Amino acid sequence: EDQVTQSPEALRLQEGESSSLNCSYTVSGLRGLFWYRQDPGKGPEFLFTLYSAGEEKEKERLKATLTKKESFLHITAPKPEDSATYLCAVQAQYGGATNKLIFGTGTLLAVQP
Amino acid sequence: EPEVTQTPSHQVTQMGQEVILRCVPISNHLYFYWYRQILGQKVEFLVSFYNNEISEKSEIFDDQFSVERPDGSNFTLKIRSTKLEDSAMYFCASSETRGSGTEAFFGQGTRLTVV
Repeated sequence: EDQVTQSPEALRLQEGESSSLNCSYTVSGLRGLFWYRQDPGKGPEFLFTLYSAGEEKEKERLKATLTKKESFLHITAPKPEDSATYLCAVQAQYGGATNKLIFGTGTLLAVQP
Repeated sequence: EPEVTQTPSHQVTQMGQEVILRCVPISNHLYFYWYRQILGQKVEFLVSFYNNEISEKSEIFDDQFSVERPDGSNFTLKIRSTKLEDSAMYFCASSETRGSGTEAFFGQGTRLTVV
């Protein structure tokens, strides 16, 4: 069964304290791994897509990396406005193309000033 | 910047009533989706829609659910007879193509409360 597991469930950082969020996945064939940010009561906001092991993408203080079994979202010198739930999702292949996303439960990040 | 728009933002309905949730996907997108998120749980896939037909649906998407693209801009989710367990945030999403790894852009959601 395709599965996405995120850790930690919650993370509290001081402003400027860098850290990483983990997303482990088990899929029959990975078509893409996605990172989203979700603010309370809002929809997921797209951040990154990663397609193959070794790929990295950056946006401001965020950097996403991918291996064959997991992805990391590195947050460098976070600010309070980075506080949100970060969701990881995968697109898997079932012998044919499917666009459905399988989400993890997310990591709730709180950055304190 | 183009965005997915959902209405209403919050809907309260009595158990057994029909509800229609509405979405306007991004205009040049071809794939449309509904997801739901029960409070405190994962975002779950319900259905994907392409070329005026369902391309994939989950086990959650039973006979009580239906989707429609009634015109060139709207995409709707209908729940025929709501149950208490249908209470959740419902997200509409759209993507540009059906290719590998295509990112989906989500709306702000409709919070459905069944009483």
